[in-house]
Amino acid sequence: DTAVSQTPKYLVTQMGNDKSIKCEQNLGHDTMYWYKQDSKKFLKIMFSYNNKELIINETVPNRFSPKSPDKAHLNLHINSLELGDSAVYFCASSQERNQPQHFGDGTRLSIL
Amino acid sequence: AQSVAQPEDQVNVAEGNPLTVKCTYSVSGNPYLFWYVQYPNRGLQFLLKYITGDNLVKGSYGFEAEFNKSQTSFHLKKPSALVSDSALYFCAVIAITGFQKLVFGTGTRLLVSP
Repeated sequence: DTAVSQTPKYLVTQMGNDKSIKCEQNLGHDTMYWYKQDSKKFLKIMFSYNNKELIINETVPNRFSPKSPDKAHLNLHINSLELGDSAVYFCASSQERNQPQHFGDGTRLSIL
Repeated sequence: AQSVAQPEDQVNVAEGNPLTVKCTYSVSGNPYLFWYVQYPNRGLQFLLKYITGDNLVKGSYGFEAEFNKSQTSFHLKKPSALVSDSALYFCAVIAITGFQKLVFGTGTRLLVSP
């Protein structure tokens, strides 16, 4: 039973389109995260929610908007996709911010 | 600001030999430190953490890490490497107090040859 699941696993789309990535965790954790991993494997936090409340919002373009309908779900919507958005996006969760995080297997976004 | 340095892009070791993957950190106050491993096309998996207590921390798959406060280091070690240990390893730090955000190092690729 997958602890943190992301859909879709692969996303190939045209520049300018709008797309969403969904994330669900069944661990009962209070905190969820979105990370971006670039082609050099650098991992950078984008957003973090705690009990549906936004607590971390890094320097991310406004085209990226997270949504947390409940504490088990954190979705990422991206408007007007650009070539530079191509990356692997990881969702993660933890019970508290100083506890180990559990990661999903990532969504590989490719912009044509 | 918090930061993590992993000075080696890649570490090569022969199977059966001991391995070390280096990590140094910078944080205001005391840190929580973590090691994660990433296999191809997978998310990061938690290996071990240091919060307080013994400086030598034992984790999954026979890995351990040594916390050294004076050198601000948290090197990952394993006495005998396996080919299956080949993967990308990330060190991460978060401050115990103040605004808490986990910061990752740039990753070190470990290659264990048969």
